[in-house]
Amino acid sequence: GQSLEQPSEVTAVEGAIVQINCTYQTSGFYGLSWYQQHDGGAPTFLSYNALDGLEETGRFSSFLSRSDSYGYLLLQELQMKDSASYFCAVRGAGNMLTFGGGTRLMVKP
Amino acid sequence: DSGVTQTPKHLITATGQRVTLRCSPRSGDLSVYWYQQSLDQGLQFLIQYYNGEERAKGNILERFSAQQFPDLHSELNLSSLELGDSALYFCASSAGTQGANEKLFFGSGTQLSVL
Repeated sequence: GQSLEQPSEVTAVEGAIVQINCTYQTSGFYGLSWYQQHDGGAPTFLSYNALDGLEETGRFSSFLSRSDSYGYLLLQELQMKDSASYFCAVRGAGNMLTFGGGTRLMVKP
Repeated sequence: DSGVTQTPKHLITATGQRVTLRCSPRSGDLSVYWYQQSLDQGLQFLIQYYNGEERAKGNILERFSAQQFPDLHSELNLSSLELGDSALYFCASSAGTQGANEKLFFGSGTQLSVL
């Protein structure tokens, strides 16, 4: 089966940098994705890493280490609108795209 | 707007009943996914279809079934409903091609309340 672990809550102040970690266990691995979900909204795609290293998209970056079964999402220059839940997801054997339990990020002024 | 349409937005029904949730994927997307999200919970994978064929199956209950039609829209059927089935049901679509397969576009969800 597949399992993902990420912190349930993270709090940071506006303008700061925050890192949300994700460790996973999966048989077969095709990549690690990140999604953002605001309260009452639908998840939206943020990033995807298939290979080791850092992918940068604006204020958001995502990192993957396949040997450590670990990845993180880095959010820079935090804004109030970044307050949301962030989910990591892996596609493994059986082609299932499994999501972690989500990390609720609270950005304070 | 993700381009994925889910209907209805809200559904209130009683235990023991049967409901059908409908999803129209983004134009051109071949893969459709169904996820269940209970209050303050993560996204539980139910099932995935690709171009009409079942591609992957998660912990979907036997009381639940789904299909993808030739026009690529999908329906999720939930029967013998129980109180615990109350949740937000999301449909998502992707192009289904390698690489692009990982970028899912989610609909706004159907909020199911079983009373």
